Amino acid sequence: EPEVTQTPSHQVTQMGQEVILRCVPISNHLYFYWYRQILGQKVEFLVSFYNNEISEKSEIFDDQFSVERPDGSNFTLKIRSTKLEDSAMYFCASSNYRDSNSPLHFGNGTRLTVT
Amino acid sequence: GENVEQHPSTLSVQEGDSAVIKCTYSDSASNYFPWYKQELGKRPQLIIDIRSNVGEKKDQRIAVTLNKTAKHFSLHITETQPEDSAVYFCAADSNYQLIWGAGTKLIIKP
Repeated sequence: EPEVTQTPSHQVTQMGQEVILRCVPISNHLYFYWYRQILGQKVEFLVSFYNNEISEKSEIFDDQFSVERPDGSNFTLKIRSTKLEDSAMYFCASSNYRDSNSPLHFGNGTRLTVT
Repeated sequence: GENVEQHPSTLSVQEGDSAVIKCTYSDSASNYFPWYKQELGKRPQLIIDIRSNVGEKKDQRIAVTLNKTAKHFSLHITETQPEDSAVYFCAADSNYQLIWGAGTKLIIKP
């Protein structure tokens, strides 16, 4: 069964540094998402992406965040200047459709630790 | 903003007994309600979902019920087994986003 893959599995960075989290969605999916989960807390929506542009974004997704699909397979999340509170598990997901007809497929996540 | 409330936060049941987790949502336009199971350090995995045109859905030992009028939906696990131990999240769609509950840690006692 095809899977969403994410790299790296764990990223440690210093406060103020830029990080790029990478995802390869399922190849025939059209909608891509980033979610965040702070340790022990709920999963939170960050952003959705379709047709090379952001479809929706949450309040968490401020100017420090950006997403890109640099080629036909990768989908990246960049945090420009990391803060301690950015430490979390970041999950990429993809789906066939924008609405509820297609469930989300999650990657294994990248654990980001900001020191 | 839209909100999903989930109860209880922790649920401990004897192996073989049933477990019920309840969620309420605020957006009356929500029409898709998935349930995810997350084991420690792993990704959320979809276990069952229900759409607003259905009141109940069952898949082996797992069932989900939906009351759109009351904006409630529940997960029922029967004949619980040790491998059911995990954190379970409910979610509801709202403005093309999934709004998640806070999670329920399910502990199965041998």
